[in-house]
Amino acid sequence: QAGLAQPPSVSKDLRQTATLTCTGNSNNVGNQGAAWLQQHRGHPPKLLSYRNNNRASGISERFSASRSGNTASLTISGLQPEDEADYYCSAWDSSLSAWVFGGGTKLTVL
Amino acid sequence: QVQMVESGGGVVQPGTSLRLSCVASGFTFSNHGLHWVRQAPGGGLEWVALTTPAGSYIHYADSVKGRFTISADNSKNTLYLQMNSLRSEDTAVYYCAKESESFDIWGQGTMVTVSS
Repeated sequence: QAGLAQPPSVSKDLRQTATLTCTGNSNNVGNQGAAWLQQHRGHPPKLLSYRNNNRASGISERFSASRSGNTASLTISGLQPEDEADYYCSAWDSSLSAWVFGGGTKLTVL
Repeated sequence: QVQMVESGGGVVQPGTSLRLSCVASGFTFSNHGLHWVRQAPGGGLEWVALTTPAGSYIHYADSVKGRFTISADNSKNTLYLQMNSLRSEDTAVYYCAKESESFDIWGQGTMVTVSS
C-alpha cells in the first residue's frame, strides 16, 4: 500500500520554526485530512493533531497543523531540545480502505 | 488512567504462529476503533489492522491479509492479533492503539522477531 511522502530529515536551530510536510492524494490527505504523531527514540508514538488542525489533548500551542490540497503541514514554533524526534503523518485512505503512514521525518534541533 | 498494554511477543521461526494481546483500561473499550501498528527495527510506522466496535468493520494491510486476524473480546477489554505463517519481514515492535479521531492512545509495544 502506497504511503504518504515526508522528507527524511529536517534541521533547524533552537528557538526557530520548523515546518514539516506530508504529501498524499485525494483519497487520503486531500479527503480525510491527516494526523501527526511524534515519536522519541525508544518510546511509542504520541498523537499531536488530527484531521489537519485539531490539536490533541495536552499538546503545546507551539504545534500547529494545516492542510492545502493533498499536502498536510506541521509547524513547530520556538523549537526546544525536546522537540528533536521523529514525526509521522497518517491518514485514512478511502480507496485502499486502509490507514497509511508517511515514512517519517527526523527533526534535529541544532 | 487510560492505558493499553501489549504482551505475547517473542522469537519465533518462519512459518510459525504467534498471538499478541493488548489489555485496555480507563476507557469504554467497545466504543472505539482499535488498531495494530508495527515498526520494524530502525524503520517507520506501518499500519497492520483495524477492528471497530462489535467487529463490524475489519480491515488489514495488504502485507498481512490472509495471514493475520484481528479480534476483540469486549468482556475482557482485550484486543488480539493472531499471526500465522510468519515471515522475517514481520519482525517488528507491534503496538496496539485506540482510535478517537486518530491514534490517540498507544501501548508500549511488544517485540516480535521472526528468525531461524
